Amino acid sequence: GENVEQHPSTLSVQEGDSAVIKCTYSDSASNYFPWYKQELGKRPQLIIDIRSNVGEKKDQRIAVTLNKTAKHFSLHITETQPEDSAVYFCAASQKGGGGADGLTFGKGTHLIIQP
Amino acid sequence: NAGVMQNPRHLVRRRGQEARLRCSPMKGHSHVYWYRQLPEEGLKFMVYLQKENIIDESGMPKERFSAEFPKEGPSILRIQQVVRGDSAAYFCASSPAVGTQYFGPGTRLTVL
Repeated sequence: GENVEQHPSTLSVQEGDSAVIKCTYSDSASNYFPWYKQELGKRPQLIIDIRSNVGEKKDQRIAVTLNKTAKHFSLHITETQPEDSAVYFCAASQKGGGGADGLTFGKGTHLIIQP
Repeated sequence: NAGVMQNPRHLVRRRGQEARLRCSPMKGHSHVYWYRQLPEEGLKFMVYLQKENIIDESGMPKERFSAEFPKEGPSILRIQQVVRGDSAAYFCASSPAVGTQYFGPGTRLTVL
């Protein structure tokens, strides 16, 4: 089955700096990679996703890059703000949109934005 | 359009009792997924269902756990004879036929 590794487990950055979280996956059949943000005691919320037919996707301060050859994908957050503090999870799926497949999650990155 | 609903939000059971967790998908969503999250860990896929069908239960323990998604009503995750190790947050997600999974607020199960 699929295995998703996520690094780092904790990331502390100064407010206004950029944050990068990296994930690798094992199954070359995976073709859908969402990122979820989870605040303490709350539900995971989708922040951005990417499908394997593109290499990069951007939404305001958030971007995701995908390297299919190396089987890794990364989340980039620019101009970090205090409300970005949360746990971020990457995930992978084989059915191109999650609509017919369970997601395999990384273990999460606790992002801390220092004022 | 209401999001994914789960109830109860908190559930306390003693060892050996049964736990029933409910999930109502978003309107228009026909696919339901259950995940378990242990403290300080990621989410682990348990089971994927469509109406009246279990599509993939590869992540669900073989014993004591069962899931259903009847033609009418919510999806139910049932845990029989609970043990302390079952204490976790259980999240349900739903999606349309092809699309993003949206998560519910979760049920936090505590086994005493």
